[in-house]
Amino acid sequence: KQEVTQIPAALSVPEGENLVLNCSFTDSAIYNLQWFRQDPGKGLTSLLLIQSSQREQTSGRLNASLDKSSGRSTLYIAASQPGDSATYLCAVSLTGANNLFFGTGTRLTVIP
Amino acid sequence: DTAVSQTPKYLVTQMGNDKSIKCEQNLGHDTMYWYKQDSKKFLKIMFSYNNKELIINETVPNRFSPKSPDKAHLNLHINSLELGDSAVYFCASSQTSVSYEQYFGPGTRLTVT
Repeated sequence: KQEVTQIPAALSVPEGENLVLNCSFTDSAIYNLQWFRQDPGKGLTSLLLIQSSQREQTSGRLNASLDKSSGRSTLYIAASQPGDSATYLCAVSLTGANNLFFGTGTRLTVIP
Repeated sequence: DTAVSQTPKYLVTQMGNDKSIKCEQNLGHDTMYWYKQDSKKFLKIMFSYNNKELIINETVPNRFSPKSPDKAHLNLHINSLELGDSAVYFCASSQTSVSYEQYFGPGTRLTVT
């Protein structure tokens, strides 16, 4: 059974700092990994999708890496801004199916 | 312009009632999903439909019955509501059922009293 864990559960950083969020999964037979952000009381916004054959994806100040063999992914946020404050979720889909297994989330607070 | 929409946004009802949540996507996607986010904010897949056909049903009580009248709509009907059904329900869609980015709706917060 796939289990997805995110560390830390919560993180506070001053504005401008670079930061890394971690995601680990137990079953390496994944098809892809997706990072989302969720604002309080809102839905999920997709940030990055990494296919299992890829090592990383970049979008603006965000960079996600994937090490499938070790069951790990990181989300790097450069030059953090107060608007980045949200809960960040990683999710993996298994080979042959697209239902997502979600991590427990990291609640990020960027302090102005 | 909303890609994935859900109605209602909030739903408060009493135990034992039957209620429905509607979902629509205008992205032309083939696959739609229902997820449940519990009080601890943990998200879990409930159902997946591809071109109106059920492809995933993850150990959900049979009081929950999804219905897909066409591939742009996936509604969730819940019979005999229980306190434990209180959660936020998210609808999502993806281009196909394999390895595509999923887009989520804004969620429906269901409160059972």
